[in-house]
Amino acid sequence: DAGVTQSPTHLIKTRGQQVTLRCSPISGHKSVSWYQQVLGQGPQFIFQYYEKEERGRGNFPDRFSARQFPNYSSELNVNALLLGDSALYLCASSEGDRGFSYNEQFFGPGTRLTVL
Amino acid sequence: GESVGLHLPTLSVQEGDNSIINCAYSNSASDYFIWYKQESGKGPQFIIDIRSNMDKRQGQRVTVLLNKTVKHLSLQIAATQPGDSAVYFCAENIGAGSYQLTFGKGTKLSVIP
Repeated sequence: DAGVTQSPTHLIKTRGQQVTLRCSPISGHKSVSWYQQVLGQGPQFIFQYYEKEERGRGNFPDRFSARQFPNYSSELNVNALLLGDSALYLCASSEGDRGFSYNEQFFGPGTRLTVL
Repeated sequence: GESVGLHLPTLSVQEGDNSIINCAYSNSASDYFIWYKQESGKGPQFIIDIRSNMDKRQGQRVTVLLNKTVKHLSLQIAATQPGDSAVYFCAENIGAGSYQLTFGKGTKLSVIP
């Protein structure tokens, strides 16, 4: 079975541009979470979506937005890119939204975004 | 792949020895804790978890200890192998149906053959 897939693998943008990152969850998983991992640090929670609704949001500016589609795939959008947005963006998927255990949440390999 | 281990505390261990990785968590309200392993170029991989009503949990070659009094977690890896070389993160969750995880800074484990 395919795991969580993310595209693109790598991306280079310049300051002020906009970027869209994509995530396909494991088949049957309805929840997607997004994390930002700056080099040398642990991942930071950005969003969680379940059944196309936002269920949680971390401490990120409004330049960050996301959505989930009927097939449960998700997009993360970042507007007006700053140098500090350079990071690995991770997507994680889970089957449900309540009563779960984290051994049921799986991370994708991430998208490496570089802002010049 | 690009390393995620730059600027992280490093623990070097001889192959076959036991490893202990420590973590201080931040929120006294957290009731669920997880250890993740992250290899270069990959996303975090679940290792073991523990709930706040426990102080010890064992898996295959791994043990997690929780001390809520001092908000401290540790991960013990028995008979460390070269394949254990990676960056290890602890993460905490407040429960109540939230998926939000707060990750610690991470420790890079290097196994010396």
